[in-house]
Amino acid sequence: EPEVTQTPSHQVTQMGQEVILRCVPISNHLYFYWYRQILGQKVEFLVSFYNNEISEKSEIFDDQFSVERPDGSNFTLKIRSTKLEDSAMYFCASRVQSYNSPLHFGNGTRLTVT
Amino acid sequence: AQSVTQLDSQVPVFEEAPVELRCNYSSSVSVYLFWYVQYPNQGLQLLLKYLSGSTLVKGINGFEAEFNKSQTSFHLRKPSVHISDTAEYFCAVVAFGNEKLTFGTGTRLTIIP
Repeated sequence: EPEVTQTPSHQVTQMGQEVILRCVPISNHLYFYWYRQILGQKVEFLVSFYNNEISEKSEIFDDQFSVERPDGSNFTLKIRSTKLEDSAMYFCASRVQSYNSPLHFGNGTRLTVT
Repeated sequence: AQSVTQLDSQVPVFEEAPVELRCNYSSSVSVYLFWYVQYPNQGLQLLLKYLSGSTLVKGINGFEAEFNKSQTSFHLRKPSVHISDTAEYFCAVVAFGNEKLTFGTGTRLTIIP
């Protein structure tokens, strides 16, 4: 069964550094998402992306965050200047279309900011 | 806006016993409902979903859930659990026509041998 893949599985970075988290969604999916889960807390929506533009974003997704689909397969999340509170598990997800099709999640990238 | 409440943060259950994980939601509009499971060090995997039709939905690994509109609940059940069911379970909702999936805080299911 096709799956969403994320790299790296674990990223350690120093505060103030830029990080790029990478995702390869399922090939025929049209809608792409990033969620995050701070340790011990709930999974939170960050941003949705469709037709090469952001369709919705949460209040967490401020100017430090950006997303891009640089080619036909990758979907990236960039954090320009990381803060300690950005430490979390970041999940990429995709779905085929229509709001009732389920999200398929990757295994996540654990980001640790020191 | 939608919200999801999972009252039980941890549920210990003996192996082969039945289990129910509770989920209540709040929304001013109609919603779709989902249960996801997260095994240790893995991503979120869809267990089952309610879109419309029969209020009892069956999912993978022997799980089922019942949508109760009057009680705004979507409790997850399994008649007999196995050690392999040890995981974190998340209830989630999305409003019709909305992009954002809202998750509950999760319930950690621990199976006691």
